[in-house]
Amino acid sequence: GIQVEQSPPDLILQEGANSTLRCNFSDSVNNLQWFHQNPWGQLINLFYIPSGTKQNGRLSATTVATERYSLLYISSSQTTDSGVYFCAVESSGSRLTFGEGTQLTVNP
Amino acid sequence: DAGVTQSPTHLIKTRGQQVTLRCSPKSGHDTVSWYQQALGQGPQFIFQYYEEEERQRGNFPDRFSGHQFPNYSSELNVNALLLGDSALYLCASSLIGATEAFFGQGTRLTVV
Repeated sequence: GIQVEQSPPDLILQEGANSTLRCNFSDSVNNLQWFHQNPWGQLINLFYIPSGTKQNGRLSATTVATERYSLLYISSSQTTDSGVYFCAVESSGSRLTFGEGTQLTVNP
Repeated sequence: DAGVTQSPTHLIKTRGQQVTLRCSPKSGHDTVSWYQQALGQGPQFIFQYYEEEERQRGNFPDRFSGHQFPNYSSELNVNALLLGDSALYLCASSLIGATEAFFGQGTRLTVV
């Protein structure tokens, strides 16, 4: 099956810093989503981005499908951005395959 | 517009028992998928239901079974619980043919 690798596994920032999270996948995909998992476990949708670039406030994402990677940019980070960020891809049949996540800690 | 809702939020069961988890999809969605998330890992796909039938299944034993009702809500059943079944169980809903998935808040199952 398709493999999804996220990097870095852990990231510690000071409030106000910028960061880039990466997601590599091993095969062509129909769907790619970025999620933020809050401390209570809920997965919050950030982007649905099988290709191209999208922006939502301080967050933006770019997927280069031909090169099999996606990037999530967080600018001017805030303590509320802390948590685990997951990339998930769907290559066939609507099942999502998740990476292992990036644990982001933003210190005040 | 109600999002995906799951019940219960927390559950403690004893080894060998059976458990049923419930999920109501986002309004307008017809497809429900279940995922298991062990501590420190990404969610793993269990199975997916559409039109009251299991469409796809991940690498989980037959102890894991499910059901979808005519109103699109779904249940996940786990029989003969093992300690290793302790995890966060997530339900996702989507619209068939449009693949953005939305997740509920999860059910945290502890098997003792």
